[in-house]
Amino acid sequence: QQQVKQSPQSLIVQKGGISIINCAYENTAFDYFPWYQQFPGKGPALLIAIRPDVSEKKEGRFTISFNKSAKQFSLHIMDSQPGDSATYFCAASTRGNRDDKIIFGKGTRLHILP
Amino acid sequence: KAGVTQTPRYLIKTRGQQVTLSCSPISGHRSVSWYQQTPGQGLQFLFEYFSETQRNKGNFPGRFSGRQFSNSRSEMNVSTLELGDSALYLCASSPQGGKTEAFFGQGTRLTVV
Repeated sequence: QQQVKQSPQSLIVQKGGISIINCAYENTAFDYFPWYQQFPGKGPALLIAIRPDVSEKKEGRFTISFNKSAKQFSLHIMDSQPGDSATYFCAASTRGNRDDKIIFGKGTRLHILP
Repeated sequence: KAGVTQTPRYLIKTRGQQVTLSCSPISGHRSVSWYQQTPGQGLQFLFEYFSETQRNKGNFPGRFSGRQFSNSRSEMNVSTLELGDSALYLCASSPQGGKTEAFFGQGTRLTVV
């Protein structure tokens, strides 16, 4: 019930292409879905987040698509650049529930070919 | 505003030893969470402290413990180290908890030999 399943484990995309990372969750109580980006030697950093009352959120080249009925959400990186090469983690939590914790997916290692 | 600071950045310990890791959260943040990151398991939640009290705990053995001080700084201790404890240990702080906007430190890379 607490799992967040992320795929693919690794992804190689040509520069300028679209990178797509998918996540699925089971707990319908989750109502906050952040994505984190982690570069080698650094801690994860919040990239973009969505709440289930919207189906899509866009920030620059990064877009989250959310499908509440399917309990799935995905990150799309448009016009992917070599600087986007990093590990991406999706996550889920129940916002405002102080006793809950963020559940992370296992990560996707993205490599953008120059 | 300074970010989350973790010390030390790197650590090498021998099996059976114990280790203490430190985390200074962002000023004003009262919640500190600890995670273990390994290539095979991703980010696994260890525990969260809020106002000096452990508020949540993951599925780790009792060898893993932590505490938080009145200034919100937190320490994590691992006793009787095992080879499998080798990992990147990350600390994250957030203003009030709720596990939303968590800000991570750079982590402490622990190697057990």
